[in-house]
Amino acid sequence: DAKTTQPPSMDCAEGRAANLPCNHSTISGNEYVYWYRQIHSQGPQYIIHGLKNNETNEMASLIITEDRKSSTLILPHATLRDTAVYYCITAGTSYGKLTFGQGTILTVHP
Amino acid sequence: GAVVSQHPSWVICKSGTSVKIECRSLDFQATTMFWYRQFPKQSLMLMATSNEGSKATYEQGVEKDKFLINHASLTLSTLTVTSAHPEDSSFYICSARDARQDYGYTFGSGTRLTVV
Repeated sequence: DAKTTQPPSMDCAEGRAANLPCNHSTISGNEYVYWYRQIHSQGPQYIIHGLKNNETNEMASLIITEDRKSSTLILPHATLRDTAVYYCITAGTSYGKLTFGQGTILTVHP
Repeated sequence: GAVVSQHPSWVICKSGTSVKIECRSLDFQATTMFWYRQFPKQSLMLMATSNEGSKATYEQGVEKDKFLINHASLTLSTLTVTSAHPEDSSFYICSARDARQDYGYTFGSGTRLTVV
C-alpha cells in the first residue's frame, strides 16, 4: 500500500504558484521523498526529490517539514502544460521499488 | 539525463496470442528495472521487479506464468503477456534507475495494449 496521502484534486490559475501537499507520516529515516507527474497516456516524469533539506531545481521546489512527516511541491508559475497527475512517493536509496498512490490531479486553468 | 525507451508504444492483438514489450535503457546500464500496469483513471500498479541475470520478483497477485519477464542484458528487459485476454488490456510502463545520477527513476513512455 502507498505510504503517502495526497488530496485527490486541485485547481490553479495559470501564472500562479501551485502548492501540492503530501503527508508521509510513516516515512523512515533513510527514505527520500520523490515527486513525479504523469500527463495523460505518458510515462511518469521525474520532478524532484529530497531527504530532509528543501530542494529546488528548474522545474519545482520541494519543502519538507522538519519532522519529515509532510512535504509540499511548489510549481512557482504554473502553466497549462503543468496540468497532470502529481504523485508523491517515499522510497529508500538502494534501488527500492516505487509504490504509487492515487496522486493529485492538478488542473491549471487560464 | 537517463533515457528509457519502450516499444511498441501501442499494440492491438487477438485474444489468445502473446505480446512482447521491450524496455531499454539507452545511455546507462540498469541491473534492475520495474514493470507497472495502469488501468484507466487508476494509479500505476507495480507488477514485478526485473533483475539482470536472474528471475524477476513478482508482486502479490501477479501471475508469473502469464507475465513473463526476461532481463538478459544490462540495457534490456522484456515483458511478454502470454495468451492475452481482453482483461489484460492496459497501459504497461517500465522504469529503471541510473546509478550514476542522484535523481530518481526514469520511466518509459508506456505501451498501450488492446486485446480484441
